Amino acid sequence: AQSVTQLDSQVPVFEEAPVELRCNYSSSVSVYLFWYVQYPNQGLQLLLKYLSGSTLVKGINGFEAEFNKSQTSFHLRKPSVHISDTAEYFCAVRRTDKVIFGPGTSLSVIP
Amino acid sequence: NAGVTQTPKFQVLKTGQSMTLQCAQDMNHNSMYWYRQDPGMGLRLIYYSASEGTTDKGEVPNGYNVSRLNKREFSLRLESAAPSQTSVYFCASSESTGGISEAFFGQGTRLTVV
Repeated sequence: AQSVTQLDSQVPVFEEAPVELRCNYSSSVSVYLFWYVQYPNQGLQLLLKYLSGSTLVKGINGFEAEFNKSQTSFHLRKPSVHISDTAEYFCAVRRTDKVIFGPGTSLSVIP
Repeated sequence: NAGVTQTPKFQVLKTGQSMTLQCAQDMNHNSMYWYRQDPGMGLRLIYYSASEGTTDKGEVPNGYNVSRLNKREFSLRLESAAPSQTSVYFCASSESTGGISEAFFGQGTRLTVV
């Protein structure tokens, strides 16, 4: 079975501070990894994805994530957050037909 | 360019009533999915359809049925709604089975069962 763990359910951070949202997955085979963002009362949209190649992936809105196969992690980072980054963030794993999501991390940016 | 369209956006049902959530995508995607989102649990896969004419159970299929009407449309039916089915439902689609494309989501249907 494949699962996704997001260790922090809520992350408060001050505006312009750096942030890291943690994601770990369990799988013994190759997977494709994604981070999605959900703004209030909206659907999910893709931030970035890791398919293969470079382990550092850059996405939209200044976010990046690093794939670490030995630690089965795919943590999301941003060096300086804005108020507009306040949202729910979901890590996801895809293999063959299914996309499995983690429980989400609620990022609150404090002015 | 609508992407993934879900209807309705909001619905209130009484326990035991039935209803169908509609989903359509205009991106010519092969794969379509239904998820439910509950606080603290992320998105859980209810059913998915890898291609037209096929459907498979996800993590939480009990109490639901689906129909892949054609390549564009994938509906979710609640035959006898229960309060435990109060949730936000999302439809999604992606380009290919076993491929590497991300999922594109609709705006969600907020369902309350009283």
